[in-house]
Amino acid sequence: GENVEQHPSTLSVQEGDSAVIKCTYSDSASNYFPWYKQELGKRPQLIIDIRSNVGEKKDQRIAVTLNKTAKHFSLHITETQPEDSAVYFCAASRGTDKLIFGTGTRLQVFP
Amino acid sequence: GAVVSQHPSWVICKSGTSVKIECRSLDFQATTMFWYRQFPKQSLMLMATSNEGSKATYEQGVEKDKFLINHASLTLSTLTVTSAHPEDSSFYICSANNPTSGRVDTQYFGPGTRLTVL
Repeated sequence: GENVEQHPSTLSVQEGDSAVIKCTYSDSASNYFPWYKQELGKRPQLIIDIRSNVGEKKDQRIAVTLNKTAKHFSLHITETQPEDSAVYFCAASRGTDKLIFGTGTRLQVFP
Repeated sequence: GAVVSQHPSWVICKSGTSVKIECRSLDFQATTMFWYRQFPKQSLMLMATSNEGSKATYEQGVEKDKFLINHASLTLSTLTVTSAHPEDSSFYICSANNPTSGRVDTQYFGPGTRLTVL
C-alpha cells in the first residue's frame, strides 16, 4: 500500500541554525505534498505545501523541495527559533484523496 | 475561510459504552471528510473516508462495525465508537477539503477529540 517514510524522528538544533526533514513516498501517483506542524494536544497546522508541477517553494524561513523522480521531498527551516519546536509531519496524497502521513519528526530548538 | 469544528473536544466514558464524535464544516460544504486516529507520540493514521450520502470507505484493519461513520449532510460527519474499550482511547481528528476554494487538495483539520475509556 501507500507509504511515506520520514527522517529523522528527532532533531535538536541550536537557535539560529537550520533544520532539514526528509520524506520519501511510495505512490508515484501522489501529486500533493503538505507539511504540518503539530503542538501537543492540538490539530495539525499546515505550514507549507507543494504540488508535483513545482520543484521548490519558499515562504519566509520555510522552504520545501520536491524530487519527483526520486520520490523525495524535504522541509527546510532556516534561522530556527524556540517557537519552531514541535512535531512536524509530511504527507502525500493524490489531490483531494486521503492523506498518507509520515511518522513525524520532533524538532527541538534550544536557545 | 475553511473552518472545521469537532465536538466534544474531550470525552471520558466507561468501558462498553458508545461515544459519538461530530465533525462539522462551518463555512463550506464537504462531500468528503476524513477521520484519523492518533495515539500518543505517533502519527495520524487514517481510519476512514466519509462520503456524503453513501457508505464510508474504511482503511484496512479498521472495524466498520465498531467505528460507525455517518455523513448525512454536506456539513456534518459523525464517528461513533461502539462498545468502547481502553485500547480505543486516542485522539480522533477529522478533516475535509473545501471543493469551492482555489486549493481543493488542501485538507482542513478539526481541533480533535480526546477520548479516554476507563
